[in-house]
Amino acid sequence: DQQVKQNSPSLSVQEGRISILNCDYTNSMFDYFLWYKKYPAEGPTFLISISSIKDKNEDGRFTVFLNKSAKHLSLHIVPSQPGDSAVYFCAASDLLYGGSQGNLIFGKGTKLSVKP
Amino acid sequence: NAGVTQTPKFQVLKTGQSMTLQCAQDMNHEYMSWYRQDPGMGLRLIHYSVGAGITDQGEVPNGYNVSRSTTEDFPLRLLSAAPSQTSVYFCASSPFFWGADGYTFGSGTRLTVV
Repeated sequence: DQQVKQNSPSLSVQEGRISILNCDYTNSMFDYFLWYKKYPAEGPTFLISISSIKDKNEDGRFTVFLNKSAKHLSLHIVPSQPGDSAVYFCAASDLLYGGSQGNLIFGKGTKLSVKP
Repeated sequence: NAGVTQTPKFQVLKTGQSMTLQCAQDMNHEYMSWYRQDPGMGLRLIHYSVGAGITDQGEVPNGYNVSRSTTEDFPLRLLSAAPSQTSVYFCASSPFFWGADGYTFGSGTRLTVV
């Protein structure tokens, strides 16, 4: 029973266009959501987060949208650059409710390829 | 540089051998955890610790032991390695209330059990 789902294993976009990565979750107790980026042979690095009290958070080219009623979040990258090519993991936690002591539950990841 | 340091980066073990994966952080973080990454499986939590002397199991704890005698170190022990433990292992740390920044991950240990 996967609590965090990334149903697209891969995504390919052209440089300069928008990349949209999607994530669905099943646990209604999740109250904090994060995106991590991972390059080969490196550890995941934090990208952007959003709490359940918000529906949008922006950081430069990266925006995360949260739709609580649909239990869905998405990461938008505009404009996409070749250096954005990486695996993107969606993660969720019930930080405020504390049921899992704030442990992060990860999706399986989406491999983004941005072509020049 | 401050961060999470994992050693070794690569390791090959024979079935039945034991070893310890090391993890150290110099950020005075209370929380530390171990994840494994397998193809098509994402990152799965093995064990975690919310402070020195306190550890607990995650999603996939079988075959692994941990201890936390200091704030800085959180080693992961494989007592009798099995081929199913072939994976990439990541250690992570964060302040106890990690707020908006999530975890800091190490660069990983790639383990192969033959």
